Amino acid sequence: GAGVSQSPRYKVTKRGQDVTLRCDPISSHATLYWYQQALGQGPEFLTYFNYEAQPDKSGLPSDRFSAERPEGSISTLTIQRTEQRDSAMYRCASSLGVAGRDEQFFGPGTRLTVL
Amino acid sequence: DAKTTQPPSMDCAEGRAANLPCNHSTISGNEYVYWYRQIHSQGPQYIIHGLKNNETNEMASLIITEDRKSSTLILPHATLRDTAVYYCIVRFRSGNTGKLIFGQGTTLQVKP
Repeated sequence: GAGVSQSPRYKVTKRGQDVTLRCDPISSHATLYWYQQALGQGPEFLTYFNYEAQPDKSGLPSDRFSAERPEGSISTLTIQRTEQRDSAMYRCASSLGVAGRDEQFFGPGTRLTVL
Repeated sequence: DAKTTQPPSMDCAEGRAANLPCNHSTISGNEYVYWYRQIHSQGPQYIIHGLKNNETNEMASLIITEDRKSSTLILPHATLRDTAVYYCIVRFRSGNTGKLIFGQGTTLQVKP
């Protein structure tokens, strides 16, 4: 596609519910990242994929957070049993993942509000 | 990845050059300096990166000191649309995840 897309753009949920966020990266990009951004802060790394492999999950704040990229393209981020502290902007980024062309292109984000 | 230090905010007059400094005194020999910016609520946008030589592209110039302990991002003719938070990030280009570690950044306000 022309750029990274994310859906939904806004999600409001009640505490305790599960939510799934979707990221559609640029089609030629091997690497996909998820970041969490609190209001007034810079994005914080959650996890990343190289095709369907997920080499680094170190940024996921708890085991309630999980991500998948089963076919090496679209990715989902799932938060189980949401808590109010999960409210944030969730940003997805993709890159070619090759030396010399590793700049990351970010999507518009999903604004999650947990009531 | 090395830590960076940036001033929290700066102002610049429209049409003038904006010079954004970044200190990265603990940078190691094979770490690169990257700059991204984030305009209002949009996703971060890549600007430029470099290792030790000065770099220039259509958006900006990057000046890295000879000892590589600091750098300056230069927007040669700032416009109102350049108002954003600018992040200086130091990281390896290979052998790690490629994740970006964003600090607090510098909020640049371009004024008419």
